[in-house]
Amino acid sequence: DIQMTQSPSSMFASVGDRVTITCRASQEIGSWLAWYQLKPGKAPKLLVFGASRLQRGVPSRFSGGGSGTDFTLTINTVQPEDFATYFCQQANSFPPAFGQGTRLEIK
Amino acid sequence: EEHLLESGGGLVQSGGSLRLSCAASGFTFSDYAVTWIRRAPGKGLEWVAGVSSRGTDPQYAESVKGRFTISRDNTKKTMSLQMSNLRVEDTAVYYCVKVWSSFLSGSNWFDPWGQGTLVTVAS
Repeated sequence: DIQMTQSPSSMFASVGDRVTITCRASQEIGSWLAWYQLKPGKAPKLLVFGASRLQRGVPSRFSGGGSGTDFTLTINTVQPEDFATYFCQQANSFPPAFGQGTRLEIK
Repeated sequence: EEHLLESGGGLVQSGGSLRLSCAASGFTFSDYAVTWIRRAPGKGLEWVAGVSSRGTDPQYAESVKGRFTISRDNTKKTMSLQMSNLRVEDTAVYYCVKVWSSFLSGSNWFDPWGQGTLVTVAS
C-alpha cells in the first residue's frame, strides 16, 4: 500500500501570511492527489483534486502543486477561517491513503 | 445541495456492536459509491469501508475486515455500517462520504462528507 507523509505536523501563522504544506507519497502517484480541510464539528471539505484542480467554491487563495511523489498545498494570504487541519490523500491505487495531517494554528 | 447525515454513534464496551447509518440527499444516490472514513483522536484519517453504487463488491480496510459490514439501500438513500467485536482502537469519528464514481477504485475523490458521528469503545 502507498504511504503518505505530510509535513509539518503543525504550524503557526498569522492572518495574511503565505503558508505551504507538503505531502510525499511512498511511490509515484502521478497527479492522483487530493487535499481536504477539517474543522472541529464540521464536515470535512475537499479543497483540491488532481493535485492542482480547485474544487468548486474553494477560494482562489488555495492552490495545489506537484506531481509524482512530492506535492504542496499553498494558502496565499491566510484568512481567519483557514485555521484548521489539512490532509492529503492519494487516489492512485486502492485502498486510498491519507497523510497524518497538518494543523494550522494562529500565531 | 448534496448532503450526508450520519447517526448511530455512541459509547460501547469492547467486544460489543454498533450500527451506524447515513442518510443522503441532494444527489442521485444510486449513481455513486459511498464510503466510511474515520479519524481516531489525535490521529489521521483512515479509510474504513466502501460499497459500489449498486451495493455490490463491498471493500474493507484490513483493520476491520471480518468485523464490519457495509450495506446500502438505494430506495431509501441510506448506507449502514454494522460494527461487531469492537475494539478500543475503533474509537473515532466516523464520516459518511460520497465517492466521485459509481465504483471503488484507486481514482476516487471524496466529496461531500457528513459531519461525522463519534464512536467510543471502552475497555
